[in-house]
Amino acid sequence: DGGITQSPKYLFRKEGQNVTLSCEQNLNHDAMYWYRQDPGQGLRLIYYSQIVNDFQKGDIAEGYSVSREKKESFPLTVTSAQKNPTAFYLCASSGQTGEDGYTFGSGTRLTVV
Amino acid sequence: SQQGEEDPQALSIQEGENATMNCSYKTSINNLQWYRQNSGRGLVHLILIRSNEREKHSGRLRVTLDTSKKSSSLLITASRAADTASYFCAHRNTGGFKTIFGAGTRLFVKA
Repeated sequence: DGGITQSPKYLFRKEGQNVTLSCEQNLNHDAMYWYRQDPGQGLRLIYYSQIVNDFQKGDIAEGYSVSREKKESFPLTVTSAQKNPTAFYLCASSGQTGEDGYTFGSGTRLTVV
Repeated sequence: SQQGEEDPQALSIQEGENATMNCSYKTSINNLQWYRQNSGRGLVHLILIRSNEREKHSGRLRVTLDTSKKSSSLLITASRAADTASYFCAHRNTGGFKTIFGAGTRLFVKA
């Protein structure tokens, strides 16, 4: 089955640690995205990538980093510079233009302990 | 902010009733999309309506778009308890690449 897989489902981070969230898709989509969702809120764009080896900052990129070395993979690192990282993180992918809508993963819930 | 606004924030209805959710945006758009999110899960794409379309149907879903008022509505007919979820509208500005999501409407359908 084609789809987009995020792992882990739950992640706990200690203060000062970097953690990496995985996102893999087998839909042959060119574009991939990371969103952050806080309780009762909409989605805010962290980073996006329209093509391999290229990515752009979204609206709330500070404290996050990404890479796009393979078409299928778009990992997100939450660095210690992100002061309030507790949130639900969603990865999505789309065709090159994104005009036909996004396919989302099932999310990773990150909690700082 | 470019974020769309949705109304109401929360809606509680009985099974079998219709549910209507509204969405407004601020700029010219290429298309508008509606997504559904079950609690603790990812979003699922429901329907996309292009800027030159006024109405679109998919099963029990009916979406309208009024570009003069910069607004859209999602109607779910004959609602079921399984329709309980959050519903988000999302739009893409003309000439833009990013899709902008609203804050969502939380729908609760009582059995």
